[in-house]
Amino acid sequence: ETGVTQTPRHLVMGMTNKKSLKCEQHLGHNAMYWYKQSAKKPLELMFVYNFKEQTENNSVPSRFSPECPNSSHLFLHLHTLQPEDSALYLCASSQAHIPRETNEKLFFGSGTQLSVL
Amino acid sequence: AQSVTQLDSHVSVSEGTPVLLRCNYSSSYSPSLFWYVQHPNKGLQLLLKYTSAATLVKGINGFEAEFKKSETSFHLTKPSAHMSDAAEYFCVVSGRFNTPLVFGKGTRLSVIA
Repeated sequence: ETGVTQTPRHLVMGMTNKKSLKCEQHLGHNAMYWYKQSAKKPLELMFVYNFKEQTENNSVPSRFSPECPNSSHLFLHLHTLQPEDSALYLCASSQAHIPRETNEKLFFGSGTQLSVL
Repeated sequence: AQSVTQLDSHVSVSEGTPVLLRCNYSSSYSPSLFWYVQHPNKGLQLLLKYTSAATLVKGINGFEAEFKKSETSFHLTKPSAHMSDAAEYFCVVSGRFNTPLVFGKGTRLSVIA
């Protein structure tokens, strides 16, 4: 295990539902990330939190709303999603996003496989 | 800007034969390069990392990669494939200072008994 835990492992939701993905790390890291993994596409970075502050938002639609209450927990709140949002959502953590040399080893969770009907 | 191209979406080898997964990169800076592996239903795990030290990098599970600046390549190799090596492999390049990593599309490795 990598020390990064994501729940739920699988989620099926309708387009009008509201749900949340949860990520938890016990590695003492200060940076946490949400990535989207779609079939045949590179991993897409969605959000970065560094010391609980959001430092990256990669033009993600507002129907995805992240929350980072502390350095160990990261949430992704979902509402009015579209079928094309179906994907594997991966959470990752690292020591810190600054400086460069220490931020690059990412520890990934197993992901939440999301299906939007 | 940084980018990475994994030249094969799928590679199939027989157990006990060599593995070669190809990766070419583009970077405006001296790059840091990585290979991650993703087994089914698992998160990504770091295999190895190059950060301008030795050009031949050894990783876990017998994998290694060689940084070739003249060819802008960072191919992943293993002398003898094992069934447990079947997974998705991602080549990754560091972004500009203080930004996260840029991932390739991945290469799926199948190992045939």
